[in-house]
Amino acid sequence: GENVEQHPSTLSVQEGDSAVIKCTYSDSASNYFPWYKQELGKRPQLIIDIRSNVGEKKDQRIAVTLNKTAKHFSLHITETQPEDSAVYFCAASIRRDGANNLFFGTGTRLTVIP
Amino acid sequence: NAGVTQTPKFRVLKTGQSMTLLCAQDMNHEYMYWYRQDPGMGLRLIHYSVGEGTTAKGEVPDGYNVSRLKKQNFLLGLESAAPSQTSVYFCASSYAGTGTGYGYTFGSGTRLTVV
Repeated sequence: GENVEQHPSTLSVQEGDSAVIKCTYSDSASNYFPWYKQELGKRPQLIIDIRSNVGEKKDQRIAVTLNKTAKHFSLHITETQPEDSAVYFCAASIRRDGANNLFFGTGTRLTVIP
Repeated sequence: NAGVTQTPKFRVLKTGQSMTLLCAQDMNHEYMYWYRQDPGMGLRLIHYSVGEGTTAKGEVPDGYNVSRLKKQNFLLGLESAAPSQTSVYFCASSYAGTGTGYGYTFGSGTRLTVV
């Protein structure tokens, strides 16, 4: 199956600074890369996603970049705010045997210091 | 429109007991999934279903069984619970297809403790 690695495991930034989380994947057949935000005790929520035929996507303060050749993708959060504090998960999807199974990274705990 | 609903939210089991976790979605999604979340290990796929009456194994299926008798429901069963199955369990659903717009919708989770 797919192996997704995520770094760093913890990240602390000052409010207003940028945060970058990086992920790598192993299977070149992966074609969809979502990012999820999970607040303490809550369910993961999709915040942004990108397909393999796109190199970059932005949505207000968040952006995702994808390098298919190197098999890595990154989440960028600009002008961080305290409410951005959460655990962020990257994932990679392979369509196989009729399913779109997501394989997740191990998460990054982001703390934004006011 | 409730999205994905999981019951129960919390449960404590004794080793060897059995239980069933219920997941229900009202979005007419074709695909449904069960994940477990453990500290430092992210979310790992237990079983999944691509349609009513179908199920398949994921990354960590041992000790679990599933059934999808109706399109909107996906049940996860533990026949003989073990302490290693202490975890938070998330159900998710999605449309059939790939790419943006086909992301998962997660339920609120079930925190299971096996003592």
